[in-house]
Amino acid sequence: QKEVEQNSGPLSVPEGAIASLNCTYSDRGSQSFFWYRQYSGKSPELIMFIYSNGDKEDGRFTAQLNKASQYVSLLIRDSQPSDSATYLCAVRDSSYKLIFGSGTRLLVRP
Amino acid sequence: DGGITQSPKYLFRKEGQNVTLSCEQNLNHDAMYWYRQDPGQGLRLIYYSQIVNDFQKGDIAEGYSVSREKKESFPLTVTSAQKNPTAFYLCASSDRDRGYNEQFFGPGTRLTVL
Repeated sequence: QKEVEQNSGPLSVPEGAIASLNCTYSDRGSQSFFWYRQYSGKSPELIMFIYSNGDKEDGRFTAQLNKASQYVSLLIRDSQPSDSATYLCAVRDSSYKLIFGSGTRLLVRP
Repeated sequence: DGGITQSPKYLFRKEGQNVTLSCEQNLNHDAMYWYRQDPGQGLRLIYYSQIVNDFQKGDIAEGYSVSREKKESFPLTVTSAQKNPTAFYLCASSDRDRGYNEQFFGPGTRLTVL
């Protein structure tokens, strides 16, 4: 069974620090990788996606992909209290389905 | 405004009743999806549809049914056969021209069985 694993947290960081969120996946055939942010009681919001090995930066966010290690991460620079949320990692398989991890809860302390 | 709407926001159901959750999108996306989320869990795929009049079962389709008569609409029926239906239900859509890659979510329906 295809799996996506995330540490449930909470990951607690002080305001202004770098938050590092990690995700591993089991299916080597996975093609695309996504990070969603979900505030409590709300629906997930797409933050970033990455297809190729390496880093992809978008503002304060950087996604990192290592297909050989089956590992994807999200870095949030200059973390703000408004970044406090659950971050869901999702992996797309060859059938266009997304497989989600259970999420990591991030808490940014003022 | 382009987007995905779901209704109702909250829904209460008595045991043994079927209920239908609405999902509409005006993004002109080809594919639509239904997910279920339980507290502290990720999203699990119930059904998905890539074209009108066609849909496929996801990982947890038992006790659910869908239809896709129009491109913009993908209603989900939670039947009495679903043993534990209390959950947060999320509808999403994606664009074929972007390889179905990015899925965008509606605001969700929170279903509670009394």
